[in-house]
Amino acid sequence: NAGVTQTPKFQVLKTGQSMTLQCAQDMNHNSMYWYRQDPGMGLRLIYYSASEGTTDKGEVPNGYNVSRLNKREFSLRLESAAPSQTSVYFCASSFTGEVNTEAFFGQGTRLTVV
Amino acid sequence: QKEVEQDPGPLSVPEGAIVSLNCTYSNSAFQYFMWYRQYSRKGPELLMYTYSSGNKEDGRFTAQVDKSSKYISLFIRDSQPSDSATYLCAMSAVGGGYQKVTFGTGTKLQVIP
Repeated sequence: NAGVTQTPKFQVLKTGQSMTLQCAQDMNHNSMYWYRQDPGMGLRLIYYSASEGTTDKGEVPNGYNVSRLNKREFSLRLESAAPSQTSVYFCASSFTGEVNTEAFFGQGTRLTVV
Repeated sequence: QKEVEQDPGPLSVPEGAIVSLNCTYSNSAFQYFMWYRQYSRKGPELLMYTYSSGNKEDGRFTAQVDKSSKYISLFIRDSQPSDSATYLCAMSAVGGGYQKVTFGTGTKLQVIP
């Protein structure tokens, strides 16, 4: 039972490089989310997808794009990485977009931009 | 001022101690209150969830909400070394949806055998 799987687990990028973070869930959840976690800042929502075919901006969307490829997969793309995007990125999913349903998180991707 | 404030710790306690973890908030519209546990280099996992005021107990864990003071607490009884983790509070208003959940920065707890 994999739950939410993120790849890669670690990545080092040079400023200006691009990359895509992959996320897949096997729980048949409708809603998926991308967060970043920085020291002293808590988890901050980057983008979310309430259902297949829809995506919306969260609290800190600048510098990122997302694709909800199908019900299982939700990718996050950094087009031109900047040092300010050094962070730990978490993908999460929930059955619905309502707050009273549990969200399940992946193990995170540790990204360093030099 | 952040909407949700949480002491980052670290908090070190001996095994068997009662642990109290707390968050304060400023948004009076918050009605859903959650506690997540995050082990080192892992993603957060939901520990407890309460709606509106009152207490909720689950085994060794008790979540308490005091809306009049805008203060929530998580108590851990008979703490174990396996409880060593970072604890994140999270909260949301009614109708906001999960995308409107606001997280605290987390309190790192270490339970010493």
